[in-house]
Amino acid sequence: DVKVTQSSRYLVKRTGEKVFLECVQDMDHENMFWYRQDPGLGLRLIYFSYDVKMKEKGDIPEGYSVSREKKERFSLILESASTNQTSMYLCASSLFSQRQENNEQFFGPGTRLTVL
Amino acid sequence: GNSVTQMEGPVTLSEEAFLTINCTYTATGYPSLFWYVQYPGEGLQLLLKATKADDKGSNKGFEATYRKETTSFHLEKGSVQVSDSAVYFCALKSGTSYGKLTFGQGTILTVHP
Repeated sequence: DVKVTQSSRYLVKRTGEKVFLECVQDMDHENMFWYRQDPGLGLRLIYFSYDVKMKEKGDIPEGYSVSREKKERFSLILESASTNQTSMYLCASSLFSQRQENNEQFFGPGTRLTVL
Repeated sequence: GNSVTQMEGPVTLSEEAFLTINCTYTATGYPSLFWYVQYPGEGLQLLLKATKADDKGSNKGFEATYRKETTSFHLEKGSVQVSDSAVYFCALKSGTSYGKLTFGQGTILTVHP
């Protein structure tokens, strides 16, 4: 089974702190994604990566950066946390494939971040 | 750009009732369509999918049919159970997007005994 793990289930940080959220997948997937989930807004894509050291902005990248130094690990960084970044953060991974049937994303359990 | 619109919730049903959650989409090209489910305290997991027009995805008693003419992918189940209580997300992937998904806002389903 594909497993996507996230470093913390719950995290509390203070405004202005630098925050690292880590995600690891064990199925050799090329694509990795970071989303934030907010009530009434669904999931919104922050950043994604389709290869080591490659990254692309998603729909809401402001205030975030990412790092992908190894294929299995994708980190989300909040350079200076703010209260409006309080949210649930979900990591996902998938195969890079031109075949439509091979495009399932597998999700981690999420990290609920509270910024005080 | 791509977008997904789901019916507003929350939806509250009694056990064994019929469920419909509406989903419509706007997309370029020929997208694949998905329903994901999120049980309390967990991440999302794929419930079903359809990759071309008129395909029907099904799993665990849930079904959805890809209707290109109405740009819809409504989720249905004939008889819901308490264990189906969860948040349901409709999503699409367009072929040019490196596997990026566009999600609807989610629909909370609560099933009472």
